[in-house]
Amino acid sequence: DAGVTQSPTHLIKTRGQQVTLRCSPKSGHDTVSWYQQALGQGPQFIFQYYEEEERQRGNFPDRFSGHQFPNYSSELNVNALLLGDSALYLCASSPTGANYGYTFGSGTRLTVV
Amino acid sequence: GENVEQHPSTLSVQEGDSAVIKCTYSDSASNYFPWYKQELGKGPQLIIDIRSNVGEKKDQRIAVTLNKTAKHFSLHITETQPEDSAVYFCAASTPASGGSYIPTFGRGTSLIVHP
Repeated sequence: DAGVTQSPTHLIKTRGQQVTLRCSPKSGHDTVSWYQQALGQGPQFIFQYYEEEERQRGNFPDRFSGHQFPNYSSELNVNALLLGDSALYLCASSPTGANYGYTFGSGTRLTVV
Repeated sequence: GENVEQHPSTLSVQEGDSAVIKCTYSDSASNYFPWYKQELGKGPQLIIDIRSNVGEKKDQRIAVTLNKTAKHFSLHITETQPEDSAVYFCAASTPASGGSYIPTFGRGTSLIVHP
């Protein structure tokens, strides 16, 4: 049973560019959350998607947007990249309506130069 | 919003010793407290959790305790092994609108177990 898969694993972008990160949740999970993890820090909540809609959002600017598809997979888009957006972006999935631990992917390492 | 503090930031122990990591939270509505282990180059992996109606939970060498009154919870690892070396995160999960739950993470503890 595949867990959460994320692509790409690594990415280098230039300031001002746009980036799209992808995530496939664990089988049976329909809720997808995205986190940003800066070096040496804990994961920070960006937003959560359920039924193809953004259900909750953390303290991130509108440059961060997302999408969830009918098959529950999800994308994270970041526009007008800043150097400070360099981080590990983690996708986590969970079953809806249940307060259980998340299943995380291995993340996408984004470097903005 | 919820605020989770985690200490220490680094913990160095000898193989066979015990390790304790402590966290505090601020939101009394938080009712689920998972712990994650993150190895280099990987995403966090759930290792144990505890709910607010339970004071202690054990799984082999790992145990968690929760004090709701004081709003703090701890991870205890006994008989540490080199493969326990990793970054450990605590989290407090708070009910949000629409039936969702959003965990807030601590800043992590880097555990180093020396052979």
